[in-house]
Amino acid sequence: AQSVTQLGSHVSVSEGALVLLRCNYSSSVPPYLFWYVQYPNQGLQLLLKYTTGATLVKGINGFEAEFKKSETSFHLTKPSAHMSDAAEYFCAVSDEGSTLGRLYFGRGTQLTVWP
Amino acid sequence: SQTIHQWPATLVQPVGSPLSLECTVEGTSNPNLYWYRQAAGRGLQLLFYSVGIGQISSEVPQNLSASRPQDRQFILSSKKLLLSDSGFYLCAWSGGTGNSPLHFGNGTRLTVT
Repeated sequence: AQSVTQLGSHVSVSEGALVLLRCNYSSSVPPYLFWYVQYPNQGLQLLLKYTTGATLVKGINGFEAEFKKSETSFHLTKPSAHMSDAAEYFCAVSDEGSTLGRLYFGRGTQLTVWP
Repeated sequence: SQTIHQWPATLVQPVGSPLSLECTVEGTSNPNLYWYRQAAGRGLQLLFYSVGIGQISSEVPQNLSASRPQDRQFILSSKKLLLSDSGFYLCAWSGGTGNSPLHFGNGTRLTVT
């Protein structure tokens, strides 16, 4: 079975600083990995996904994530934080054996950006 | 393009009252459909999923139920709400394969009083 661990339920950065949100997964087969963002009282929006191919994946709003199989990680980064990046971020995993498209989510990381 | 509609956006209901939340998807056929609940600090909990009309799978036993009367319609119901049913309910759809992302509606904030 798949599982996701997001290290740090809250992360605070200053505007312009590097954003690093950590995600580690557990999967017995090659995973598919996703990052979602949620703004208050809204649904989740897909930021980026890794399925196959290049391990560095670029997403919307300047975010990117790198799949590291040896570390079972898929950390999300952004070089320079913006006030509008303040939101909750969820990492999720699926796998090629899933015909249901079922995703397993982490508990989320709340990102605060200070001016 | 595909869109997903979920309503109402907010709902306040007394304990013991019934519940009906509706979700519809446009622009795709035979989607997989999902109901999630999000409680503060607890992440997303998958409640039900459906791979076709009339096909419902439950992930967590509770006093909620789901139905899929049409291909792109998914309904979450309860006959009698409990205080513990309060939360943020999210409907989602996917293309049904492992690399298909979920696409979420805007959610319903349910408060049971």
